[in-house]
Amino acid sequence: KQEVTQIPAALSVPEGENLVLNCSFTDSAIYNLQWFRQDPGKGLTSLLLIQSSQREQTSGRLNASLDKSSGRSTLYIAASQPGDSATYLCAAALIYGGATNKLIFGTGTLLAVQP
Amino acid sequence: EAQVTQNPRYLITVTGKKLTVTCSQNMNHEYMSWYRQDPGLGLRQIYYSMNVEVTDKGDVPEGYKVSRKEKRNFPLILESPSPNQTSLYFCASSLGGEGYGYTFGSGTRLTVV
Repeated sequence: KQEVTQIPAALSVPEGENLVLNCSFTDSAIYNLQWFRQDPGKGLTSLLLIQSSQREQTSGRLNASLDKSSGRSTLYIAASQPGDSATYLCAAALIYGGATNKLIFGTGTLLAVQP
Repeated sequence: EAQVTQNPRYLITVTGKKLTVTCSQNMNHEYMSWYRQDPGLGLRQIYYSMNVEVTDKGDVPEGYKVSRKEKRNFPLILESPSPNQTSLYFCASSLGGEGYGYTFGSGTRLTVV
């Protein structure tokens, strides 16, 4: 059974700091891995998607990496800003019949960037 | 704008009163899912659909029903809501291929009293 874990559960950093959020999964047979951002009481905003055949994806100040063999993904945020404060969720997509029907979510990392 | 639209955003209801949460996507996606989010438990899949008239149970389907009569719509039905179904609900859709992620709706906060 696929399990997804995120460490740390909470993180507080001063503005401008570079930071790394970690995500680990137990079964390497994933379709892709997606990173989301969730603001309090709001929906999920997709940040980056890494296909199983890829090693990393970049969007602006965000970089996500994937190492299937070790069951790990990291989200790197450069030059953090107070507006980055949110909960960050990673989700592993399970393979079913040549496509994916299910995301297994980690419990998230609550990030606070202090001005 | 490509999006997943859920309605209502907030709902307070009483135990046993049937309700439907609607979900619609305008991206011609084949795959649609419902998730619930609870503190300490994270997001868990309730039901999913891989195409019109094809639905199946996720991890926590008890007390819920779904239907997929049209590609764009995937309503979640609570026939007899109970307080333990108080939660934040999300609908999501995807094309399903490896290079395609899921797009989520804004969520429906349901309170059953």
